[in-house]
Amino acid sequence: EVQLVESGGGLVQPGGSLRLSCAASGFSFSDHYMDWVRQAPGKGPEWVGRSRDKANSYSTEYAASVKGRFTISRDESKNSLDLQMSSLKTEDTAVYYCTRSQTSYHFMDVWGKGTTVTVS
Amino acid sequence: DIQMTQSPSSLSASVGDRVTITCRTSQDIKSNLAWFQQKPGKAPKSLIYAASRLQSGVPSKFSGSGSGTDFTLTISSLQPEDFATYYCQHYNSYPLTFGGGTKVEIK
Repeated sequence: EVQLVESGGGLVQPGGSLRLSCAASGFSFSDHYMDWVRQAPGKGPEWVGRSRDKANSYSTEYAASVKGRFTISRDESKNSLDLQMSSLKTEDTAVYYCTRSQTSYHFMDVWGKGTTVTVS
Repeated sequence: DIQMTQSPSSLSASVGDRVTITCRTSQDIKSNLAWFQQKPGKAPKSLIYAASRLQSGVPSKFSGSGSGTDFTLTISSLQPEDFATYYCQHYNSYPLTFGGGTKVEIK
């Protein structure tokens, strides 16, 4: 069964840092693009950033709102996708979802249940 | 950035109704569009990709159409489990962006 499980959320003060992890299972992790998507309370989803597949050297893209503050990385040995967040702002408060992108069309076909980050 | 405009933002419908939601993009995205369903407290669920292709396991009452800048999601016969919020999202270029959502409520 394809599964994504996020962890690491919590309460952090403005200006602080937090590291989220996503444990992936049930599929070939290195063959898929992976994304982080967040959703602030009462708002729609917002794309945070992407890690391309191994064939594309796990290169990354970021939303302008987080570029320079957030970093996406992978640990192949653990099938884990991480999101290192620094210089956190109150507007970063959201549920953070890890998503897998389908190999051909690169749309988000599998979502984790999310982990909550509160910056206050 | 590509702007995504969904309409309506909300609608009330009855069980058995045919429902159509529209998504308009500010630039040509070819067919690089997905639709998601989200229920309260849950993660979004993929319904449609490539504008009109049904995601595996999604019932055929859902259908998508369009290309370029104008897209629609149709639910052929609304059932109680379909009351949710629906989002469109493009994956044509970076940044990826979502529409504002359409909340489908019970009339």
